[in-house]
Amino acid sequence: GAVVSQHPSRVICKSGTSVKIECRSLDFQATTMFWYRQFPKKSLMLMATSNEGSKATYEQGVEKDKFLINHASLTLSTLTVTSAHPEDSSFYICSARSSYGMGYEQYFGPGTRLTVT
Amino acid sequence: ILNVEQSPQSLHVQEGDSTNFTCSFPSSNFYALHWYRWETAKSPEALFVMTLNGDEKKKGRISATLNTKEGYSYLYIKGSQPEDSATYLCAFEDGNNRKLIWGLGTSLAVNP
Repeated sequence: GAVVSQHPSRVICKSGTSVKIECRSLDFQATTMFWYRQFPKKSLMLMATSNEGSKATYEQGVEKDKFLINHASLTLSTLTVTSAHPEDSSFYICSARSSYGMGYEQYFGPGTRLTVT
Repeated sequence: ILNVEQSPQSLHVQEGDSTNFTCSFPSSNFYALHWYRWETAKSPEALFVMTLNGDEKKKGRISATLNTKEGYSYLYIKGSQPEDSATYLCAFEDGNNRKLIWGLGTSLAVNP
């Protein structure tokens, strides 16, 4: 149980275009979802936290107009990288947590490797 | 700035060896300490969530201890197997906001 999928696993896009990444909890209701970014040789960095049905809370330094997060249902959150630039190239990974008696764990998707050319 | 340090950065052991890694974290505003196992091209897998000082948890050949007063946790693997090869990450959960602060991980390679 507690499986999180993420799609796509890898995407290459041109500078100036937008890319949408989906994160789904397959067998539980994710009341909270988290989006992380990881640059080479760096630790996972939290970008934003989203609760189902409300606006995402962004970490300091993360542009909310550039990284659009939608958590419209208890099983789906999306991250859209708008007007992508090469410096947005990174590894993006989501996690989900349920407040319905599932403990403290965050369950992770497998991540998305974004390359902007 | 909250910092989580893991050591060693990488480790190569022979099959059958036992090994251990360290995670150091802030000793204030502690909520929980998480250990994850992350194999390449897969999702990070939760190993342990530890909340109480002195906690010891075990899952098969893997165990972990926690000292919240001095801010460290050890992860032990007994009789390492090639399938244990992965990156082991720890994360400090901040009691102020429930956010996870991650270490860089320890990359373990077990040679058959």
